[in-house]
Amino acid sequence: DIQMTQSPSSLSASVGDRVTITCQASQDISNYLNWYQQKPGKAPKLLIYDASNLETGVPSRFSGSGSGTDFTFTISSLQPEDIATYYCQQYDNLPRFGQGTRLEIK
Amino acid sequence: EVQLVESGGGLVQPGGSLRLSCAASGFTFSSYEMNWVRQAPGKGLEWVSYISSSGSTIYYADSVKGRFTISRDNAKNSLYLQMNSLRAEDTAVYYCARDLGQQLVPRAFDIWGQGTMVTVSS
Repeated sequence: DIQMTQSPSSLSASVGDRVTITCQASQDISNYLNWYQQKPGKAPKLLIYDASNLETGVPSRFSGSGSGTDFTFTISSLQPEDIATYYCQQYDNLPRFGQGTRLEIK
Repeated sequence: EVQLVESGGGLVQPGGSLRLSCAASGFTFSSYEMNWVRQAPGKGLEWVSYISSSGSTIYYADSVKGRFTISRDNAKNSLYLQMNSLRAEDTAVYYCARDLGQQLVPRAFDIWGQGTMVTVSS
C-alpha cells in the first residue's frame, strides 16, 4: 500500500502569511495527488487535482506543485475563511488520504 | 444545482446491517463514477468504495471488502452502500462523492454530499 505522510499536522499562521503544507508518498505516484479543504462540520471540498490543477471556482491564492513522491500545497496569502483542515489524497493505487493539517489563525 | 443527498444512517448493533442511499440531482448521474468516503469521529478521511458509471467496475478498501457492497440505479439517480457485519470501527460519517475522472479507477472527488452518520454500538 502507498502511504502518505502529510506535514505539519497542525499549523498556526497570521492573516496574509504564506502557508505551505507538504505531502510525501512512500513510492512514486507521478502527479496522482489531490488536495482538499474541510471546514468543521462540513464535507470536504476539492481544491487542487492532479497535483497542480486548480478546481473551478477555487481562489487563485491556492496552488499545488510536485511530482513523484514530494508534493506541496500553498496558500499565498492566508485569509480568515481559510481556517480548515487540509488533506492530500493519492490515487496511483486505491485512494488514500494523508493524515490532515489543521490550520489555525495566530 | 448539482447535489448529493445521503440517507439511511443511524444506530446499529455490532454484527448488524444498514443500507445507505445517495440521491443525485443537477447532473447526468449515469455518466459519472461514484464513491463512498467515510470519516470516523475526530479522525481523517478514508475512501471506502468506488463504482463505475455502468456499475461494471467496483473497488473496495481492504477494511470493508467482503462486508460492504456498493451499487447504483441510474434510472433512479441513486447510489447505495449495503453494509453487513458492522463493527464498532465502522462508526463514521459516510459521504457519497462524485468522481472527477472517467478513467475506470477512483481519482478525485469533486462533489460531496452532506454525509450520514452511522453508529455501531450495543
